Amino acid sequence: DTGVSQDPRHKITKRGQNVTFRCDPISEHNRLYWYRQTLGQGPEFLTYFQNEAQLEKSRLLSDRFSAERPKGSFSTLEIQRTEQGDSAMYLCASSEGRGLSYEQYFGPGTRLTVT
Amino acid sequence: LAKTTQPISMDSYEGQEVNITCSHNNIATNDYITWYQQFPSQGPRFIIQGYKTKVTNEVASLFIPADRKSSTLSLPRVSLSDTAVYYCLVGETSGTYKYIFGTGTRLKVLA
Repeated sequence: DTGVSQDPRHKITKRGQNVTFRCDPISEHNRLYWYRQTLGQGPEFLTYFQNEAQLEKSRLLSDRFSAERPKGSFSTLEIQRTEQGDSAMYLCASSEGRGLSYEQYFGPGTRLTVT
Repeated sequence: LAKTTQPISMDSYEGQEVNITCSHNNIATNDYITWYQQFPSQGPRFIIQGYKTKVTNEVASLFIPADRKSSTLSLPRVSLSDTAVYYCLVGETSGTYKYIFGTGTRLKVLA
């Protein structure tokens, strides 16, 4: 399977703990995106990488959130001192990023539950 | 910043054509319109993308009027497996990332 993969698929953690999620994009894609989706809502943009450069961060991405893409391939999203409001599905997507038109391929998501 | 609005839900019967409209009054010149399908506990799946007029692929058509303030996703002859949430997405990525998903349209296909 050469699609976008995310790990873990599910994570249950206690409030105050740190969690880290991994995303492996499609290999030839140079753009990578993180979204958060809560029940009944559309995905909300969090951040975006062009190769290893983090080009955009949403205001939703508080200082407890950090994302990296060190070699322009896989990416990690870390949430420090988790809160119950962080419970959501965290989606990763990648795209070729050529020109203005693009198609984002999404991974299956990581469902985070903060107890 | 383009905002999208869609009907919350729609019901249809198998074999019918379904049209889902998205309103995006503030669409910018460089904005593309993309539609995604999402099943429960899965990531969104790309359906179709367009800039103007009509685009057709093997699963859907996308109609965009000249003013581009709305778009219509057309699904021909839906089946039960098309029951899902459909999202319209408007924006572009030249420079500042501005893509925002709408709240989606929950389509239920009935036998």
